[in-house]
Amino acid sequence: NIVLTQSPASLAVILGQKATISCTASESVNKFGINLMHWYQQKPGQLPKILIYNEFSRAPGIPARFSGDEAELNFTLTIEPVEADDVATYYCQQGLTFPLTFGAGTKLELK
Amino acid sequence: QVQLQQSGAELVKPGTSVKLSCKASGYTFTSNHMNWIKQTTGQGLEWIGIINPGSGGTSYNVKFKGKATLTVDKSSSTAFMQLSSLTPEDSAVYYCARKDGYNPFMDAWGQGASVTVSS
Repeated sequence: NIVLTQSPASLAVILGQKATISCTASESVNKFGINLMHWYQQKPGQLPKILIYNEFSRAPGIPARFSGDEAELNFTLTIEPVEADDVATYYCQQGLTFPLTFGAGTKLELK
Repeated sequence: QVQLQQSGAELVKPGTSVKLSCKASGYTFTSNHMNWIKQTTGQGLEWIGIINPGSGGTSYNVKFKGKATLTVDKSSSTAFMQLSSLTPEDSAVYYCARKDGYNPFMDAWGQGASVTVSS
């Protein structure tokens, strides 16, 4: 199985500053030149929502404050500037092979 | 718009089975595969399996083979997941989540169904 290691487990950020969340894959998630890595946001008490798919493509309605990047097997979700509404847990997920796997999550709080 | 309406919370006894439902609306049910995901506080999000509503074909996470059975009823646009031989470790929130038409991510989620296994 492809293991996704997310860090940090929790993150406290000042309003208006930048949040960076990392997700390292145990092996390549690339298919035909596209990294099949996706990011979800889950607010407290709510269901998960897709933010970024295929490494850097924003889902419909997602603001440009959210961006995805990749360096080797290390994927990054950046939120800048952070707003109060961004308090949530963020998960990465690989879509290359079954079983689909998720990172353990990063809880974002305001400092 | 796309909606996935899941059945309500269940309180069940160990050793029994439970069948969860996920009624889809706002799109052609057979056009998108349906995933099922387990969420617990300790284990985070775990993918259980996926079903093709058009053919009934399924793929399961090995961890959940024998535990979960995925089916659909095309006439009512409803996906089902039966969980068998329940133990307290099966207590969790279970989500159905639609696979995007072209890419392997989940573009719509049900509201989740809580299952509590307790005697």
